[in-house]
Amino acid sequence: SAVISQKPSRDICQRGTSLTIQCQVDSQVTMMFWYRQQPGQSLTLIATANQGSEATYESGFVIDKFPISRPNLTFSTLTVSNMSPEDSSIYLCSVGGTTYNEQFFGPGTRLTVL
Amino acid sequence: AQKVTQAQTEISVVEKEDVTLDCVYETRDTTYYLFWYKQPPSGELVFLIRRNSFDEQNEISGRYSWNFQKSTSSFNFTITASQVVDSAVYFCALSGPNQGGKLIFGQGTELSVKP
Repeated sequence: SAVISQKPSRDICQRGTSLTIQCQVDSQVTMMFWYRQQPGQSLTLIATANQGSEATYESGFVIDKFPISRPNLTFSTLTVSNMSPEDSSIYLCSVGGTTYNEQFFGPGTRLTVL
Repeated sequence: AQKVTQAQTEISVVEKEDVTLDCVYETRDTTYYLFWYKQPPSGELVFLIRRNSFDEQNEISGRYSWNFQKSTSSFNFTITASQVVDSAVYFCALSGPNQGGKLIFGQGTELSVKP
């Protein structure tokens, strides 16, 4: 299994600002995923981040709002831009295992936007 | 289209009762993978089990057991002799060979085990 860390673990931000969330994995992985979990809701995939290529965004999510970087095989960042209270969520990164049918999740970043 | 349905939004039981969490899925893939995750109040997502579509054997792990039935597209999760520490939100999820490993989650079932 992979060990995944995220920073920050939680933050309270003002509307209109941006926050960058970091995801670090203890091993090299091809694919990394970013999910959002709004309060009381299930998890929704934001985008898939592959090293060396542009992230692939799911319907309803755009690069201008959620820019993603993937500089190497162990690290990725997700930025939540121009935040509004509706962006208050838990943001989780996940990685696939040696076979893509394994999926490990980071501890999440709990974001509150005032 | 792929979809996961967890019809039970909330379940409340008394400690030591058995409880079953239902999961029904839809997919056109012949090869796919089903997962269960636990999310305690702290928020982290804890992996419980992965099952591929070719393995319909039921699985038991301690007090946990899973019943996979392709005929009814269901992958139900039973906790035997529930404990207060089992209180959490449980998610069922689906992944397929054409999805690059991304998961489609059900809405989750919030389990409350009372002493």
